[in-house]
Amino acid sequence: AQSVTQPDIHITVSEGASLELRCNYSYGATPYLFWYVQSPGQGLQLLLKYFSGDTLVQGIKGFEAEFKRSQSSFNLRKPSVHWSDAAEYFCAVPNNNDMRFGAGTRLTVKP
Amino acid sequence: ETGVTQTPRHLVMGMTNKKSLKCEQHLGHNAMYWYKQSAKKPLELMFVYNFKEQTENNSVPSRFSPECPNSSHLFLHLHTLQPEDSALYLCASSQDQLAAGTQYFGPGTRLTVL
Repeated sequence: AQSVTQPDIHITVSEGASLELRCNYSYGATPYLFWYVQSPGQGLQLLLKYFSGDTLVQGIKGFEAEFKRSQSSFNLRKPSVHWSDAAEYFCAVPNNNDMRFGAGTRLTVKP
Repeated sequence: ETGVTQTPRHLVMGMTNKKSLKCEQHLGHNAMYWYKQSAKKPLELMFVYNFKEQTENNSVPSRFSPECPNSSHLFLHLHTLQPEDSALYLCASSQDQLAAGTQYFGPGTRLTVL
């Protein structure tokens, strides 16, 4: 079964600093990969997705992610974090007919 | 009209109550999902419906009973729940049940079982 692992449960960054959230996947072939964000009291919103082609994927809200087959990773990045980015972030991979989500990384943004 | 709506947003119920959660999607999608989100645990898929037919039941206890009367509406009927069932219940939809399909989520129902 395909799965994803998010090694970091909680990350704190200062506003304006760069951000990288880690995601590792387990799958032999090239997977489809997704990043979702969940703000407090809200459902999940798609940030970006990777299907094939260019390994650097641009998403909404200034986020990007890079697929690295050699490292089995799909890390999410943002060059300058805003206070409104404080939320929980989920990496996900389809598995048969459903989506498998990582445990999530909670992002805190310091003023 | 937002894409996926859920009512109620908050629900408190006793263990002997019967209640229902409602989900409605306005996206013209054919697949709908129920997820359970508990603190410090990954999202757990509960049920999947594709073209109104249930295609996945992820070993969910029978005290949770889904219903999908049409492609736009999904219900989760609750009966004799346990305190450990307290969680955020999320509904999602996608164009169809293809593995690569993007899922669109509702805001969730925060359920507390006393």
